[in-house]
Amino acid sequence: DQQVKQNSPSLSVQEGRISILNCDYTNSMFDYFLWYKKYPAEGPTFLISISSIKDKNEDGRFTVFLNKSAKHLSLHIVPSQPGDSAVYFCAASRFMNSGGYQKVTFGTGTKLQVIP
Amino acid sequence: DAGVTQSPTHLIKTRGQQVTLRCSPKSGHDTVSWYQQALGQGPQFIFQYYEEEERQRGNFPDRFSGHQFPNYSSELNVNALLLGDSALYLCASSLGGRGTEAFFGQGTRLTVV
Repeated sequence: DQQVKQNSPSLSVQEGRISILNCDYTNSMFDYFLWYKKYPAEGPTFLISISSIKDKNEDGRFTVFLNKSAKHLSLHIVPSQPGDSAVYFCAASRFMNSGGYQKVTFGTGTKLQVIP
Repeated sequence: DAGVTQSPTHLIKTRGQQVTLRCSPKSGHDTVSWYQQALGQGPQFIFQYYEEEERQRGNFPDRFSGHQFPNYSSELNVNALLLGDSALYLCASSLGGRGTEAFFGQGTRLTVV
């Protein structure tokens, strides 16, 4: 049961344009969402997060949007740069009364290629 | 400041054998989570260790076990290896039992033949 879904396995974007990566989730108990970036032969690197009490969080060129009613989030990268070429994972977590955000559920990833 | 280090980087084992993977968390971190990433998939949560205890576990059989030491380093043990256990095993460190915004190691590539 894939609770976090990234339906686009790959995406190609011209340098300087906007990259939009999408993610859907099915578990309404998730209340914290993250994006990770992964380069080959490296572990994932945390990029940006958003709590379910917000609908937008911005950090430099990266903005995450959350639509709770649609159970959908997206990551916008503006402007896209060749160094952004990587696999992007959407992830989600839920607060546990036993001790906070412990388990993180990842999507299958979207490979972004930014073309110079 | 050393980040998350995992050892070994690559490992080949025979079906039925046992394997131990090791992880040293980022300096200052006290929480270690382990993930399995199969080819073409996202990381799958195995379990988390905090204060030397397993705090939460994903959908993995009891063949998967772990340990956290007083210095916060951790081991992942897998018994009775199956071909399907072949994957990249990732260790993530964080602070205070929080599994989010974690720092990942480069992973251990396990191949079961």
